[in-house]
Amino acid sequence: DTAVSQTPKYLVTQMGNDKSIKCEQNLGHDTMYWYKQDSKKFLKIMFSYNNKELIINETVPNRFSPKSPDKAHLNLHINSLELGDSAVYFCASSQGPSETYEQYFGPGTRLTVT
Amino acid sequence: GDSVTQMEGPVTLSEEAFLTINCTYTATGYPSLFWYVQYPGEGLQLLLKATKADDKGSNKGFEATYRKETTSFHLEKGSVQVSDSAVYFCALKDTGRRALTFGSGTRLQVQP
Repeated sequence: DTAVSQTPKYLVTQMGNDKSIKCEQNLGHDTMYWYKQDSKKFLKIMFSYNNKELIINETVPNRFSPKSPDKAHLNLHINSLELGDSAVYFCASSQGPSETYEQYFGPGTRLTVT
Repeated sequence: GDSVTQMEGPVTLSEEAFLTINCTYTATGYPSLFWYVQYPGEGLQLLLKATKADDKGSNKGFEATYRKETTSFHLEKGSVQVSDSAVYFCALKDTGRRALTFGSGTRLQVQP
């Protein structure tokens, strides 16, 4: 059973389009995250939800909007895609927001904007 | 703010060689420290962690000790295998912070 799953795994789209990435975890965790990994492999937090409530919203363009319909799901919607949005997006979850809890990562979604 | 500094890669070793990947950090609180591994084309997997000073994390032959005096969490393995080829990320999660701060990653290439 996959603990943290993301769909799609690959996404190729044109500039200006709107797209969504979905994430689901079956670990019973309360906290979920979205990270962005750029072409140099650098990982940076974008958003985090705890019990469906937004707790982290880093400096990310307004075109990015997370949505958490329930504790097990955290989706990422991106409007008006730009070339610079090309990256690998990772979803993660943890038991809670405490620093002692490890985070479990999904396989990533490689987004390519042309 | 929090930051993690890792040695630049790639690190190229022959099979059965000793591995050290250096990691140092700055944090304002009392962070937990982690090593994650990313195999080609895959997501990140937790390799090991330590939650307080002098703790040693270990897994699959890898070890790292939380050294508060030197603010370091170096990753070591006594004998690497070709299957260890991957990108290794050092990360921390500081007190009161809700997300991981990652280092830039170190690519390890093990040759037969």
